Amino acid sequence: EMQLVESGGGLVQPGGSLRLSCAASGFTFSRYWMHWVRQAPGKGLVWVSRISGDGSSTNYADSVKGRFTISRDNAKNTLYLQMNSLRAEDTAVYSCARAHDYHDYRPFDYWGQGTLVTVSS
Amino acid sequence: DIVMTQSPDSLAVSLGERATINCKSSQSVLYRSNSKNYLAWYQKKPGQPPKLLIYWASTRESGVPDRFSGSGSGTDFTLTISSLQAEDVAVYYCQQYYSAPPYTFGQGTKLEIK
Repeated sequence: EMQLVESGGGLVQPGGSLRLSCAASGFTFSRYWMHWVRQAPGKGLVWVSRISGDGSSTNYADSVKGRFTISRDNAKNTLYLQMNSLRAEDTAVYSCARAHDYHDYRPFDYWGQGTLVTVSS
Repeated sequence: DIVMTQSPDSLAVSLGERATINCKSSQSVLYRSNSKNYLAWYQKKPGQPPKLLIYWASTRESGVPDRFSGSGSGTDFTLTISSLQAEDVAVYYCQQYYSAPPYTFGQGTKLEIK
């Protein structure tokens, strides 16, 4: 059974850092583009970042560029999001998601339940 | 960036009736070389992850009931639920994956029972 399980969320002060993890199982992790998407309380879905299957290509939303870093460890079937210089507006549930097939420019067919990040003093 | 605009923001429909949600993109998401519209629809229920319903504007994801259908091309798209069931209460989002990144979503349409 395909599973994506996020962890690492929590309460952090403005300017602080957090590292999110997404453990994948049930599919050949290294073959898929993976994404992070966030949803602030009461708001809609916002794409955050993506990474290619081999980790060689990454992209970011303008709102997080220079502060967040996406990475993956294919030997551990795990996706990461290192979040630095956190701001109150980064407060959201962060979910990892898989691209629909092995290619780029695809929708997201599997999503994790998400992990809540709260940035507050 | 492509802006996705959904209408209406909320919708109340009686059980068994048709529900229609619209999505408009600020520029075409039709890739002419393969004639595919890079447009997806998702269903989001509270406490659950989003569920992919439709991709390529009209292709139903495996396991999605056939009462869900997608149509449209270019910049204007529609998600139709032919006969609303109680379990369809959710927020629905359209997403373009044509000009990405960023992969932009609509603001969401909240569907309720009348």
